[in-house]
Amino acid sequence: QVTLKESGPGILQPSQTLSLTCSFSGFSLSTSGICVSWIRQPSGKGLEWLATICWEDSKGYNPSLKNRLTISKDTSNNQAFLKITSVDTADTAIYYCARMGQLYYFDYWGQGVMVTVSS
Amino acid sequence: DVVLTQTPVSLSVTLGDQASISCRSSQSLEYSDGYTYLEWYLQKPGQSPQLLIYGVSNRFSGVPDRFIGSGSGTDFTLKISRVEPEDLGVYYCFQATHDPFTFGSGTKLEIK
Repeated sequence: QVTLKESGPGILQPSQTLSLTCSFSGFSLSTSGICVSWIRQPSGKGLEWLATICWEDSKGYNPSLKNRLTISKDTSNNQAFLKITSVDTADTAIYYCARMGQLYYFDYWGQGVMVTVSS
Repeated sequence: DVVLTQTPVSLSVTLGDQASISCRSSQSLEYSDGYTYLEWYLQKPGQSPQLLIYGVSNRFSGVPDRFIGSGSGTDFTLKISRVEPEDLGVYYCFQATHDPFTFGSGTKLEIK
């Protein structure tokens, strides 16, 4: 059974660095063809793909966030991470992690974690 | 970046009727390997998105055959025949052919 769960700080202040963790089970990020992605959704708005990391450590980022993103993984502990530097109120959103397979679809999603950026 | 334009923005359908959602891409979504990385997701109220269709027309495991994806190149359609109450929510198309990956802006399906 595949599950993913996001965790984060809940609230942080503008200019701080947001650190998110995706803890998963039922699959390994060392398995060929497997990736984990981060997607976010501001309240009442649509979905935005942020970043993806794959089994062989290849990474992809959404350039709209202008080099503020860093994705990484800990294969041994079944975790993936996302850091977003210099946050501001526009980064307030629900952040999801999702598994991505060889055909690049998100087949399993976490429940999402709400992150609020506020002074 | 590839822009996915979904129409309509919202859709009100009578139970048992058909619903149709369009997703038009600013570029062809056929990759050099011949595959088209176009997917459809449904986000039910208060839930995470769930995969319905991948590769234009392949239903994901457990998705009823009422959901039919079609299209090619830049024009894609999701049809829902015999709409049921559990189909309400926001439908998104998504492309993974071109970097960066992008979502459509969503179509909200309401039940009359």
